[in-house]
Amino acid sequence: AQSVAQPEDQVNVAEGNPLTVKCTYSVSGNPYLFWYVQYPNRGLQFLLKYITGDNLVKGSYGFEAEFNKSQTSFHLKKPSALVSDSALYFCAVRAGFQKLVFGTGTRLLVSP
Amino acid sequence: EPEVTQTPSHQVTQMGQEVILRCVPISNHLYFYWYRQILGQKVEFLVSFYNNEISEKSEIFDDQFSVERPDGSNFTLKIRSTKLEDSAMYFCASSDGVTGPVGEQYFGPGTRLTVT
Repeated sequence: AQSVAQPEDQVNVAEGNPLTVKCTYSVSGNPYLFWYVQYPNRGLQFLLKYITGDNLVKGSYGFEAEFNKSQTSFHLKKPSALVSDSALYFCAVRAGFQKLVFGTGTRLLVSP
Repeated sequence: EPEVTQTPSHQVTQMGQEVILRCVPISNHLYFYWYRQILGQKVEFLVSFYNNEISEKSEIFDDQFSVERPDGSNFTLKIRSTKLEDSAMYFCASSDGVTGPVGEQYFGPGTRLTVT
């Protein structure tokens, strides 16, 4: 079955420092991978996706993610964190025809 | 920017009652979804809907659940006889027909359902 794992419940980073939020996947066939962000009392907002092509995917708000097939990873990165990036981040994989299977989420806290 | 909207934002109901959660997907989207998130747990897929029929559903989506697109803009989730364990945040999502089923899904803000 398709699944993703987010090994960290929380990531702490200082403003201005680079951030990484980790995600590993387990799929049969080609992976279709997504990152979403959830702010308090808001729905999930799409950040970026990997379908095929370049391993470095650029998305919204300066985020990017690196697809690594050999390590089955799809880590979310940003070169310089902002306090406003503090939120809950979800990795997801397409499973079946259309459904997304989400990870457990990683809370990112960016301190001033 | 177009958004998925959901009403109500919070619904409180008694066990055994029927509830209807409403969603207005993005207007030119063709694929529609419901997910739920029990407090502190993962976001879970319930059902997808395309071309006026269910295209995929999870084990959670049993006979107590149904979906409908009653007109050209609304998409609803009905729970016929609510249980305590149905208490969760319910998210509606939609995606366009250009990128098909691998397109990104756009989520609404959610309806918090509390069953007492």
